[in-house]
Amino acid sequence: KNQVEQSPQSLIILEGKNCTLQCNYTVSPFSNLRWYKQDTGRGPVSLTIMTFSENTKSNGRYTATLDADTKQSSLHITASQLSDSASYICVVSGRNAGNNRKLIWGLGTSLAVNP
Amino acid sequence: NAGVTQTPKFRILKIGQSMTLQCAQDMNHNYMYWYRQDPGMGLKLIYYSVGAGITDKGEVPNGYNVSRSTTEDFPLRLELAAPSQTSVYFCASSYSRTAAVANYGYTFGSGTRLTVV
Repeated sequence: KNQVEQSPQSLIILEGKNCTLQCNYTVSPFSNLRWYKQDTGRGPVSLTIMTFSENTKSNGRYTATLDADTKQSSLHITASQLSDSASYICVVSGRNAGNNRKLIWGLGTSLAVNP
Repeated sequence: NAGVTQTPKFRILKIGQSMTLQCAQDMNHNYMYWYRQDPGMGLKLIYYSVGAGITDKGEVPNGYNVSRSTTEDFPLRLELAAPSQTSVYFCASSYSRTAAVANYGYTFGSGTRLTVV
């Protein structure tokens, strides 16, 4: 079972609308959670990074929330633009044996913004 | 400031052939990584390096080798290409492995799409 689950798998919205993407994780102990945007044919680009003590972080029209107690995060996109069409990937950093932090990547939510 | 540069962008290999995927970064990052991304799967770490002369295995290292002779370069070597190595390969770098301090994230290259036939 994947330790990082994202929903929905895909989403289609109209330009100008808001949307919220979900990420649930079971990684423990937890170090930090990141959201990446990946355009088709490109490498992922970092949007936000949050540690367990942070419950919200914004980057322009992107706002990420984190509830470390319920192990849930969300990414809210405000006033969507056509350029927001991409895959949004939730990544959780855990701490495995030997104190080596390990990134666990979700499968992503594919967002399409239509005019 | 180019960030992370990967070459080539596309490559088709025959089974058993060898090749090196190049990766260079100009941000003076200590940490560098190689990932592969398969359709419908999350990124998987192949190898990583914490500095020049130091490399270590990730989750899926079999069939690959790396070296880190300089801070800037981190090539990935495929010695005997197999169809299972058909994938998109991403190189990334970061200020630190955890990259949690001061919002430092990973910087990714644009990827190399490799097909083994």
